[in-house]
Parts: sequence; C-alpha cells; structure tokens
Amino acid sequence: GNSVTQMEGPVTLSEEAFLTINCTYTATGYPSLFWYVQYPGEGLQLLLKATKADDKGSNKGFEATYRKETTSFHLEKGSVQVSDSAVYFCALSDRNTDKLIFGTGTRLQVFP
Amino acid sequence: EPEVTQTPSHQVTQMGQEVILRCVPISNHLYFYWYRQILGQKVEFLVSFYNNEISEKSEIFDDQFSVERPDGSNFTLKIRSTKLEDSAMYFCASSARSLQDSPLHFGNGTRLTVT
Repeated sequence: GNSVTQMEGPVTLSEEAFLTINCTYTATGYPSLFWYVQYPGEGLQLLLKATKADDKGSNKGFEATYRKETTSFHLEKGSVQVSDSAVYFCALSDRNTDKLIFGTGTRLQVFP
Repeated sequence: EPEVTQTPSHQVTQMGQEVILRCVPISNHLYFYWYRQILGQKVEFLVSFYNNEISEKSEIFDDQFSVERPDGSNFTLKIRSTKLEDSAMYFCASSARSLQDSPLHFGNGTRLTVT
C-alpha cells in the first residue's frame, strides 16, 4: 500500500543554517505530495505541494521537488529562522482517494 | 482568516464511556475529515464526509466510531465505548473542494485520554 517515510527528529540547527528534511514515498500510480507544518499549540497547515513529477513546491523560503526516479520529496530551506521551529509532516494522496497518508513528522528546533 | 475550531482541547474519559468530539469547519467548506495521531506515531486518516455521507473510511473507523453533521455547522466524531488504545490527538479538517484541488484546513486538535 501507499506509505511515507521521513527522517526522524529532532533536527537541531542554528539560525541561518541550511535545512534538509528527507521524505521518500511508496505509491502506486502518480500521487500528489505535500508538506504540512505544525507550530506549537496549532493545527497542521499546508506548507507546499507538488502534483506531478519534477514539480517544485515552494512557500516561505521552503522548497521541495517531486522526484519520481528516487520517489522522494525532500524539504529544503537555505537559511532557517527561530520561527521555523515546528513539526514538519510529509504526506501523499493518490488521485482516486480523498485522504492523506502522513509520515511520522520531524521536529525542527532552531536556536539563535 | 477563517479557521477550523475543535472542542474540547483536552478530554479525559474512562474506558467504556462514550465521547463526542466536536468540530466547527470553515463555513463554506464542503468536505470534512477526521484524523488522529497516537503519541509518537503517524497522523492517520479516519474518515471523510461529503454531501451528508461518509465518502471514505479507514480500517480504524469500525462500528465504535460514527460521524454526524447535525446542524449544518458542527461536525462531530462519536466513539461509542472508548478503549485505552483510543487515546490520541484527534484532528478535524475541512476543505472547499476535493483534496486534489484545495488544501485541507486543520483544527488544533482534541487530546483524548482514556483511563
């Protein structure tokens, strides 16, 4: 069945460091891929998405590229801020369903 | 910005009791969902609801679970007889159109503790 695997956290970085959070997926067909973010005390918010191979989703300085050949959707940001501290979830949905399949989430902690 | 609201934020109940988790989706949204996250595990899909009926449900969503949109604004999840393993954070979500065309908006969650 469809599944998402993402790197375990916590990821601890200093402000302005480069961020990568790895995400790989297993799916039949051509899923849509998402990154959601959960700030402390809040619900999950859509950060970015990509719906087909080689698409790049971007938002708030974060980017992720849909790589079909490596079944990956790694999240990157060139220079993190303390305010980026949150839990990041990679997710997929296939076109025949209306549900998201999430990874376990990766906690990012950014220190000044 | 409109948001999905969930109440209560934390519910404690004894095993075998019924609980109702409440959600108010964004007012013009048509698709409604419940997800849950057991501590330290993945966020899991429970059920989707559209046009006043369940459109999809997971294996978790057995006969002990039910959903209802009683009055056109609330969307509730009922667990008939809670078990210890139902302890989790429950997230309600809504969207204007199907998942492929519009983003899910999530509430802040209800933490359910079954003792």
